[in-house]
Amino acid sequence: GAGVSQTPSNKVTEKGKYVELRCDPISGHTALYWYRQSLGQGPEFLIYFQGTGAADDSGLPNDRFFAVRPEGSVSTLKIQRTERGDSAVYLCASSIGTQETQYFGPGTRLLVL
Amino acid sequence: DQQVKQNSPSLSVQEGRISILNCDYTNSMFDYFLWYKKYPAEGPTFLISISSIKDKNEDGRFTVFLNKSAKHLSLHIVPSQPGDSAVYFCAASAQGGSEKLVFGKGTKLTVNP
Repeated sequence: GAGVSQTPSNKVTEKGKYVELRCDPISGHTALYWYRQSLGQGPEFLIYFQGTGAADDSGLPNDRFFAVRPEGSVSTLKIQRTERGDSAVYLCASSIGTQETQYFGPGTRLLVL
Repeated sequence: DQQVKQNSPSLSVQEGRISILNCDYTNSMFDYFLWYKKYPAEGPTFLISISSIKDKNEDGRFTVFLNKSAKHLSLHIVPSQPGDSAVYFCAASAQGGSEKLVFGKGTKLTVNP
């Protein structure tokens, strides 16, 4: 009965480096979401997948951010040329369908030095 | 421009008393509202939701009230317990389902024994 899992739990990187954050959704959940939570803020939507396709990527802040879900299960959020402002907790959520409750993973805490 | 506002950053109540957490929204297209609870170093946990066709939804000690004309919702917890101490996020979505949630900044609830 696993929930949403995210790896790594913590990531420290240097400015300008490339990072990948992984999300394993709940088995059978077709919808997958990425959010970003900065200190003192609520989670902010980044991108949402229905199956393998990105149904809405309007929350991605710029073209340094990209996400994939090639087989409709695991998703990877990729950040190129990281900046200090990218430091945040990156949350992944999944739901059984697009109009169902979203269940969140524990997040990946990214620190860009 | 905050579409979902939680104006109280913190709330402290005594064990056994009622906790009332408030949330206001500005986007009249929102038609589905949720409350999530978050403990430190964990992802948000779904608590309760309400559709805009209702004005009240109850689940055990938790009740959410929706006032559409005022664009206001509230979460009542009664009786409050020390284990309820957490950050509570209000979230909203449009188009009848929980896609692309828009979150408030959260209210930190402390329930004192």
